[in-house]
Amino acid sequence: DGGITQSPKYLFRKEGQNVTLSCEQNLNHDAMYWYRQDPGQGLRLIYYSQIVNDFQKGDIAEGYSVSREKKESFPLTVTSAQKNPTAFYLCASIPTGKMNTEAFFGQGTRLTVV
Amino acid sequence: DAKTTQPNSMESNEEEPVHLPCNHSTISGTDYIHWYRQLPSQGPEYVIHGLTSNVNNRMASLAIAEDRKSSTLILHRATLRDAAVYYCILRDDNAGNMLTFGGGTRLMVKP
Repeated sequence: DGGITQSPKYLFRKEGQNVTLSCEQNLNHDAMYWYRQDPGQGLRLIYYSQIVNDFQKGDIAEGYSVSREKKESFPLTVTSAQKNPTAFYLCASIPTGKMNTEAFFGQGTRLTVV
Repeated sequence: DAKTTQPNSMESNEEEPVHLPCNHSTISGTDYIHWYRQLPSQGPEYVIHGLTSNVNNRMASLAIAEDRKSSTLILHRATLRDAAVYYCILRDDNAGNMLTFGGGTRLMVKP
């Protein structure tokens, strides 16, 4: 089945460590997004990518990095520079040039700093 | 980017209709209105979208004001499974495929 998969579902990180969250889609979508969600809050955009080998910063990119080497994959690295990384992270994808289509979301990764 | 404004929370009784409002007074002519909902600890799921005309699907109806500055998501008979946060967002692929979410409306359904 086509879809978007995030892994792992839960992730624990020690302070000062970098961690990478995986996002894979087999929908042949061009655009992919990473969001952060804090408890009781809405989604805030971290990074997005419209095509392979290109990405742009969202509203809260500091302390995060991404890559887009393949169309199917858009991993997010939470670096030690991110001072408050504990949050729920969501990945999404959409086909470009088609405003009347839906966005697909993964089931999220819950990151906890211990 | 065009923004949307929604009430923080709403309550409904089970089996009754629910009207969730969204204001988007700065909407442009090329913005589509999309609605998503998010259950606890899950990713958002698509509900419905429209441009100018009212839309119906198996999940809900979308009523769009004539001036397009507001819209209303209608759940015809709320069930307990409809309790979620509902997000109204504007999509304009001419604006770099931005997909920007606001705070959403938390819908509580009482049995």
